[in-house]
Amino acid sequence: DAGVIQSPRHEVTEMGQEVTLRCKPISGHNSLFWYRQTMMRGLELLIYFNNNVPIDDSGMPEDRFSAKMPNASFSTLKIQPSEPRDSAVYFCASSFGEHSYNEQFFGPGTRLTVL
Amino acid sequence: SQQGEEDPQALSIQEGENATMNCSYKTSINNLQWYRQNSGRGLVHLILIRSNEREKHSGRLRVTLDTSKKSSSLLITASRAADTASYFCATDGDNYGQNFVFGPGTRLSVLP
Repeated sequence: DAGVIQSPRHEVTEMGQEVTLRCKPISGHNSLFWYRQTMMRGLELLIYFNNNVPIDDSGMPEDRFSAKMPNASFSTLKIQPSEPRDSAVYFCASSFGEHSYNEQFFGPGTRLTVL
Repeated sequence: SQQGEEDPQALSIQEGENATMNCSYKTSINNLQWYRQNSGRGLVHLILIRSNEREKHSGRLRVTLDTSKKSSSLLITASRAADTASYFCATDGDNYGQNFVFGPGTRLSVLP
């Protein structure tokens, strides 16, 4: 298995632009997580899905952020409009099982820079 | 608010020495997990210890859990330069699936 796949690996955009991050979880996993990592705030859980349904989105910073999981093999995290403070590394992770405390497998991350 | 907090924030040791990192948390948990992150990479799961377990081993790793003190420790024995990474503990509150949070991490440097 290729593991969790994220694209793009790097994204540089200008303030105000829309940014879409993509994730393909490990086949057979039914939970998917989006995290954001910065030096200041560490690793933050933004949202997680179980069986394609959002279970906990309390970590989503504000309405500019939205996440979807249209099927078991694909998820997107969208930021519209983007701001410089959104600059971070965004990780997607997947796991098998219903709960967030099962072992999670992380993707390589997307490094986002908003100018 | 952060659930798990590791200490020390940074640790530097010589190859062959043991490294101990601690994690404290605030609320009841179902389990506690330790992850490793190499620079520029995603996190890798190391070990999971359930709330009814006190100690767990995996290769050179030893994890302990003291629920009365709400703390855990990760011991890496006979450290190697390849162990250089950041180590995070992660906890889940006893409300299933809610508030799964990582601590700020311990940055371990193993010098050859």
